[in-house]
Amino acid sequence: DAKTTQPNSMESNEEEPVHLPCNHSTISGTDYIHWYRQLPSQGPEYVIHGLTSNVNNRMASLAIAEDRKSSTLILHRATLRDAAVYYCILVGGTSYGKLTFGQGTILTVHP
Amino acid sequence: DADVTQTPRNRITKTGKRIMLECSQTKGHDRMYWYRQDPGLGLRLIYYSFDVKDINKGEISDGYSVSRQAQAKFSLSLESAIPNQTALYFCATSDSLLPETQYFGPGTRLLVL
Repeated sequence: DAKTTQPNSMESNEEEPVHLPCNHSTISGTDYIHWYRQLPSQGPEYVIHGLTSNVNNRMASLAIAEDRKSSTLILHRATLRDAAVYYCILVGGTSYGKLTFGQGTILTVHP
Repeated sequence: DADVTQTPRNRITKTGKRIMLECSQTKGHDRMYWYRQDPGLGLRLIYYSFDVKDINKGEISDGYSVSRQAQAKFSLSLESAIPNQTALYFCATSDSLLPETQYFGPGTRLLVL
């Protein structure tokens, strides 16, 4: 399975944009890029996913590099509630829904 | 009401005891999953079920068994609990059309003494 690399931790200030990077240099053509986050004392929560084009939803935006070897999750205006561990996960066509969670990035948001 | 519920939320047991963790969902999803989370290791898949008659082992199934009693219910059992099964356990569900978009329960914190 293709692996992802994320920074261990990042910090942001409230109401500022946050760009969370993910490297996946061995991604295959059929791998989707999924992002989940885990708030303190909660189960993981789906954030967004994409294949090639940039994606937007009510929670975040996903920017995918043209060569697909990296992607960035963008939180447009961080709030204290966005403090969480963010996971970047590659999902292939034969994954049958199996998610492989790595270490993720711990995001700290300062007031 | 929560879409995915887990019981109990916290449990302390002793080595060698049998314990069952239960998961129920009201989302109408056909797929259900059990994960465990250990500090510094992320989440790892234990078992997954595509429907009531289709159960599959995940990455770390040794020492665990599961039962899919109905589409909405998926139970995880530890036949003889051991201390290294102390962890946070999560149940998740998804629809077969979007299997990677999973909805997680609140977790069960298990301590095996």
